[in-house]
Amino acid sequence: GAGVSQSPRYKVAKRGQDVALRCDPISGHVSLFWYQQALGQGPEFLTYFQNEAQLDKSGLPSDRFFAERPEGSVSTLKIQRTQQEDSAVYLCASSLTGARAPLHFGNGTRLTVT
Amino acid sequence: QQQVKQSPQSLIVQKGGISIINCAYENTAFDYFPWYQQFPGKGPALLIAIRPDVSEKKEGRFTISFNKSAKQFSLHIMDSQPGDSATYFCAALRGDSSYKLIFGSGTRLLVRP
Repeated sequence: GAGVSQSPRYKVAKRGQDVALRCDPISGHVSLFWYQQALGQGPEFLTYFQNEAQLDKSGLPSDRFFAERPEGSVSTLKIQRTQQEDSAVYLCASSLTGARAPLHFGNGTRLTVT
Repeated sequence: QQQVKQSPQSLIVQKGGISIINCAYENTAFDYFPWYQQFPGKGPALLIAIRPDVSEKKEGRFTISFNKSAKQFSLHIMDSQPGDSATYFCAALRGDSSYKLIFGSGTRLLVRP
């Protein structure tokens, strides 16, 4: 069906607010990735899910960042007490299995923290 | 620590010309090297990928050349078109990982008509 869907497309948060970013992967895709992309830079790995299991969260910048995929489909990236340095585009990608298969990226959520 | 170094940062090519983007890596554990293309406001999309047991891979106008001894690989876009104007990212994946793709910093390509 459709590709990876992310919402909201844009989010403006005041410093200290909590935000939740949603990702709807392609149906049937086992693997789900979150990446952070700063302006003019390449995507940086945040975390990886295989079905509902979070196998790697080593890229999450701090304990203010939390991701979940409770039923193995939709995923949410939550950022608590947002800081200005959290401003970036957050990209979600899914694949049939792992990163040796094509990663299908959503169009991202642009987060601006003021 | 930048694990995959990409150059140039930006590139301007005339229509019909050849665009060449280079990447270098240090970690010999990398064994899968994809290239992704990203248009403004969109997520990256896989263009072409190569493994180190192959020195060259071609798909249409896009070719990856791989030099294992030099730990370098490059993307060549033949007969570049204005529609190729986008940002290109090389990436690398370790053999002992199935998911942690490391991206380069990107090359912004502009193809002039």
